[in-house]
Amino acid sequence: ELKVEQNPLFLSMQEGKNYTIYCNYSTTSDRLYWYRQDPGKSLESLFVLLSNGAVKQEGRLMASLDTKARLSTLHITAAVHDLSATYFCAVDRRTGKSTFGDGTTLTVKP
Amino acid sequence: GAGVSQTPSNKVTEKGKYVELRCDPISGHTALYWYRQSLGQGPEFLIYFQGTGAADDSGLPNDRFFAVRPEGSVSTLKIQRTERGDSAVYLCASSLAGGATDTQYFGPGTRLTVL
Repeated sequence: ELKVEQNPLFLSMQEGKNYTIYCNYSTTSDRLYWYRQDPGKSLESLFVLLSNGAVKQEGRLMASLDTKARLSTLHITAAVHDLSATYFCAVDRRTGKSTFGDGTTLTVKP
Repeated sequence: GAGVSQTPSNKVTEKGKYVELRCDPISGHTALYWYRQSLGQGPEFLIYFQGTGAADDSGLPNDRFFAVRPEGSVSTLKIQRTERGDSAVYLCASSLAGGATDTQYFGPGTRLTVL
C-alpha cells in the first residue's frame, strides 16, 4: 500500500525566512504532485514532477524530486504572507489513483 | 474558460437518506476523478473514470457508494443509506487524458453533512 508522509504538519514562519517541507513516500511511484489549498477552497496544482532529479520553480516556491530516496521537497524562499495555505504532496503510479499526504499548514507572520 | 464545477456546494441530509453529487468537468477532459476529504486530512481517492468507464474504483469504501459517467462528461457520485461517517467534502477533478504529465484540475467540492 502506498503511503505518503509530509512533515512538518504545521509550520509557522516569519516573512522573509526560508524553509523546506518534506514529502516521503513508501513505494516506487511515477509522478509526484504538489498542490496548494486555501481555507475553504479547492486544490490548486503547483508542480508535477516526473523524473529523478526533477526541479521546478515558480516564484518563491521550488520543488524537487529524488526517486531513489522516495523524497520530494518544497522549498520556500523569502516567505510572504500570501503563501499562507495548506500544501499537499501526492503520488501516483500512472493509474490515475493519487495518494495524498495529510498536508502542511503554513502560516507566514509579518 | 470554465473550470470544474460541482453541485450542490453544500448538502445536509439525514442518516439513511440517498444523495447524489454532480461534477461537470472541464470540456474535453476525458479523465475524471472523485476524492473525499475529511477535516485536517488530504484528499482520499474514490474512483477514476477514463471516458465513460471506471478505470479504477478501488477507493470506493463500500457498496453504498456508486458513481457513473454515462456520456463521458458529467459524473454523478451516488451514496445510499448515508451514515454520519460519510460527512466530508467530496472533490471532483478532471484532466485532459490521464497521461504522464497530466495535471488534475479540482472543483470547489461539495460539503456533505449527514445528521
